[in-house]
Amino acid sequence: GQSLEQPSEVTAVEGAIVQINCTYQTSGFYGLSWYQQHDGGAPTFLSYNALDGLEETGRFSSFLSRSDSYGYLLLQELQMKDSASYFCSRGNQGGKLIFGQGTELSVKP
Amino acid sequence: EAQVTQNPRYLITVTGKKLTVTCSQNMNHEYMSWYRQDPGLGLRQIYYSMNVEVTDKGDVPEGYKVSRKEKRNFPLILESPSPNQTSLYFCASSPGVAGGPYEQYFGPGTRLTVT
Repeated sequence: GQSLEQPSEVTAVEGAIVQINCTYQTSGFYGLSWYQQHDGGAPTFLSYNALDGLEETGRFSSFLSRSDSYGYLLLQELQMKDSASYFCSRGNQGGKLIFGQGTELSVKP
Repeated sequence: EAQVTQNPRYLITVTGKKLTVTCSQNMNHEYMSWYRQDPGLGLRQIYYSMNVEVTDKGDVPEGYKVSRKEKRNFPLILESPSPNQTSLYFCASSPGVAGGPYEQYFGPGTRLTVT
């Protein structure tokens, strides 16, 4: 299979750090992307990892370990506006894309 | 402004009445794709296109058709819509084909209700 698993909900407080995990099955795996979606809106691209290691973009970072079939999105200095759904997505050779079911992040004051 | 546009944004229709949702991008992207989003199921890929005249099935292609006659347009066709196709639909495009279309730009979405 080619499915992805991520937690359905995560809650954190403003100013904290939160990590959203994503595990995947290795068959045909090419790379892992992360997207943010606010309620009712279009998903927006956050980050992509094709190789092992950490990619940093401002307050957001993404990590991939191909040997563990695992990645995560790290959000630092959480703000209320970070409350949204976060999706991991895997790319496969051939162009097919598969998304996880999404993690709803709630940031509390 | 670089963007992906979809029309219509909202549509209520009846079972069996053919409809087309248009999608257009102005970024000269090679890769385009359609998704449906249902509560608790995330985004599921319907069809994708790596380039003009090249289309492939995603995970949920049944009941849908697509065409890619021009690089900028990728319409989604429902020949005979049924209530189980009631959903939120997103079109997306990506500049990268080599190495994977990892950075998708999404349209605003089309909320379709089939009664």
